[in-house]
Amino acid sequence: EAGVTQFPSHSVIEKGQTVTLRCDPISGHDNLYWYRRVMGKEIKFLLHFVKESKQDESGMPNNRFLAERTGGTYSTLKVQPAELEDSGVYFCASSQQTGDNYGYTFGSGTRLTVV
Amino acid sequence: GQNIDQPTEMTATEGAIVQINCTYQTSGFNGLFWYQQHAGEAPTFLSYNVLDGLEEKGRFSSFLSRSKGYSYLLLKELQMKDSASYLCAVPFSGGYNKLIFGAGTRLAVHP
Repeated sequence: EAGVTQFPSHSVIEKGQTVTLRCDPISGHDNLYWYRRVMGKEIKFLLHFVKESKQDESGMPNNRFLAERTGGTYSTLKVQPAELEDSGVYFCASSQQTGDNYGYTFGSGTRLTVV
Repeated sequence: GQNIDQPTEMTATEGAIVQINCTYQTSGFNGLFWYQQHAGEAPTFLSYNVLDGLEEKGRFSSFLSRSKGYSYLLLKELQMKDSASYLCAVPFSGGYNKLIFGAGTRLAVHP
């Protein structure tokens, strides 16, 4: 089966611009997660979708970040306007069931650089 | 709160055995995950421990002691391809809906 796909793999934008990251989960996976790793730090949770509904968005840094999952398939994460501290690697993951003991399947991430 | 500690870097020789430790503090325990991540790639699932003891899976084994808040990942017969970051993670207390990650241990395997 196809894995979790993220696009783009890399993005370099200027401070103040807008960037939209996309994640295509594994087909049939209801749970979709966004995580972020900033330089030198641990991977941190951003939010969790169950189908098209936001189950938990407690990790979203501020209102410059907007995540959507229309139709419960792919998801987008928009950063508007981007700031320097938003630079990092944004990972998407999916799982079939909440509480899946085999963990998530992660995508390869989008490396975002804000200059 | 929840906290995970693991060493930042380790080095080892091809063919040797290496143990990567992880200590955690959590108010509720729902198991512990280990992931492997090669540079520029997705973290991939290695193991999940919820009961005390050692679980072996080929060259990789994972150990858990809930009373000590401690886990380790044991890699045997090291190969060059095992050079990667190894991430320890626990579900946020209250459910599996989000994982709390350690900063990862970067393992370098030398010939």
